[in-house]
This record gives sequence, C-alpha cells and structure tokens, in this order.
Amino acid sequence: GAVVSQHPSRVICKSGTSVKIECRSLDFQATTMFWYRQFPKKSLMLMATSNEGSKATYEQGVEKDKFLINHASLTLSTLTVTSAHPEDSSFYICSKRQGPTETQYFGPGTRLLVL
Amino acid sequence: AQSVTQPDIHITVSEGASLELRCNYSYGATPYLFWYVQSPGQGLQLLLKYFSGDTLVQGIKGFEAEFKRSQSSFNLRKPSVHWSDAAEYFCAVGGSYNQGGKLIFGQGTELSVKP
Repeated sequence: GAVVSQHPSRVICKSGTSVKIECRSLDFQATTMFWYRQFPKKSLMLMATSNEGSKATYEQGVEKDKFLINHASLTLSTLTVTSAHPEDSSFYICSKRQGPTETQYFGPGTRLLVL
Repeated sequence: AQSVTQPDIHITVSEGASLELRCNYSYGATPYLFWYVQSPGQGLQLLLKYFSGDTLVQGIKGFEAEFKRSQSSFNLRKPSVHWSDAAEYFCAVGGSYNQGGKLIFGQGTELSVKP
C-alpha cells in the first residue's frame, strides 16, 4: 500500500499556542489528502479535505480559523491547530487517496495534548 | 442518509477460533467498501476493499470479506484468529472521485483474543 508519514507523532503544548502537524506522501503524489480527528474509543471524524493548490474543504462544524490546512505541494499537507485549548487534545490522522478505487491510505497519527 | 453500522462494539474470541465482524451500510450510489484495522495509538491499516467484481474479497493477514448487496452488508471473516489480531476494526464506505471520495466510518469493533 501507499506510504504516508506524519510528524510529530506526539506533541504537548501549552494552552494558547499553535501546533503544526505535517502529513507527507512518501511514494506517490497526493493532490488530495484528508484530515481526521479521533477521540478515545471512538471512530474517525473527517475534519477537512486538503486540496493541493487550493483551499481546503471543511466539514460542517469544523472551525476553519481554528484548524488551518495548507497543501502547498503534491506531497505535503499541514494542519495547524491555532490557539490550542485542552479540548483540542486528540489523535489527529491524515490520509491520502490513491488509485482508481479512491482507496485511502492513512498516516500513523499524531497525539496532541494541550495543557 | 449515508451510514455504516458495526453492531458489535466489542467481541472476544479464543485464539484459533473463527471470527466474523459485522458491517451494514446505507449508501445511495454504488459503494466502495473497506475494512481497516487499528492497533492502539497507531494509524489505520487497510485490510481489504471491494469495488466491483467477485463479491468475496481476500485481504492481508488471512482476512476475507463478502459483499452482499441484498443485505447491504460487508462482513469480515477470518477462519482462525491469532493473538496478534487483537485490535480495533473499522468498516468504511465511500464513493468514487466524482462522488467526493470521502469515507464514512462505522463506530468500530474492538477485538480481544483469549489465549
């Protein structure tokens, strides 16, 4: 399958600061990537679709100004959690879509803890 | 409405026993169906997928799934479970690029394996 990396794998930050999470496609180009959020013992919640060279498409209820997404190259999408608060603590996972069946391949996830 | 239901939140099986994880979906168009597995603190790994053709699909790690259109189901099976199969399993349904390419996930089924 496709290879997707995320950095960092874990991050702890203070309330009010901003945190950037990187999602990279290590094999093929990815014009579309997805960002998910997962709470403990819960399923994945799609936050936004990241499109290379254009604005991200956010799901209903997701704050665009809070979760900034940039897809500046064909292999890199970033998610910035701005002015983080403890309720933003979560597991963030990215994926990329590849192949004729639009299969999504996932990164290893980033654990964010906001103190 | 589009949805995926995994009726079993938690299943425990003995090592060596057979396994079936249930998945039912509701999707307006021709669905692409997926099973993913997630180990604690990790991303999702694709087990198998169905998009057309033979309704019985084989995946990695000895898993298989059968698409039954009349029942709107895509159950995952394994004839003999290994202790390393203990994880969270997610069923997902999606569409083609023209349909947005997004995935809708079920709630997940946690599998425990008894020695």
